[in-house]
Amino acid sequence: DIQMTQSPSSLSASVGDRVTITCRASQGIRNDLGWYQQKPGKAPKRLIYAASSLQSGVPSRFSGSGSGTEFTLTISSLQPEDFATYYCLQHNSYPLTFGQGTKVEIK
Amino acid sequence: QVQLQESGPGLVKPSETLSLTCTVSGGSISSYYWSWIRQPAGKGLEWIGRIYTSGSTNYNPSLKSRVTMSVDTSKNQFSLKLSSVTAADTAVYYCARGSLMDVWGQGTTVTVSS
Repeated sequence: DIQMTQSPSSLSASVGDRVTITCRASQGIRNDLGWYQQKPGKAPKRLIYAASSLQSGVPSRFSGSGSGTEFTLTISSLQPEDFATYYCLQHNSYPLTFGQGTKVEIK
Repeated sequence: QVQLQESGPGLVKPSETLSLTCTVSGGSISSYYWSWIRQPAGKGLEWIGRIYTSGSTNYNPSLKSRVTMSVDTSKNQFSLKLSSVTAADTAVYYCARGSLMDVWGQGTTVTVSS
């Protein structure tokens, strides 16, 4: 299985901060990676696909980058509605695997 | 706009079979893969498997011996069966479109308890 390691597991930030979350794959996955946002009691919502393509309707403050084994999700200016848990997902090979999640909390 | 809705019993006894259905509305189920994912309370996401509308499947090896997925294109539905359940199978179960999971159901909570 491909292991997806997210860091940090949690972070505290203020509104307006720039936030970066990293996901590392245990082997190369090209750009077969998505980023998801999950709020308490809700289903995950896809933000980014193909590592860097913004899902329609998602604010442009969200961006993704990377290829191979290292990927980042950046929120350029954190907004109150962005406090949530974020997951990466690799769909390069089976079984599909998620990172363990990064909880973004209010400082 | 495609919407997904999970349905099924919220309580299953240990050793029995968990059965869930996902109904696709606002679009056709055809020509897509459809995934099942689960999330124990307070924990991360686990991919269970996927099914194509032809019936072709891929399962997570960790669950493969207990999982069966099926699709009914006439009803725009696909289903999950998980046999011999234990308390460790207690989770919120989600259905989603494709391996890229661009559309998700709202999730349904399944508790395994006697």
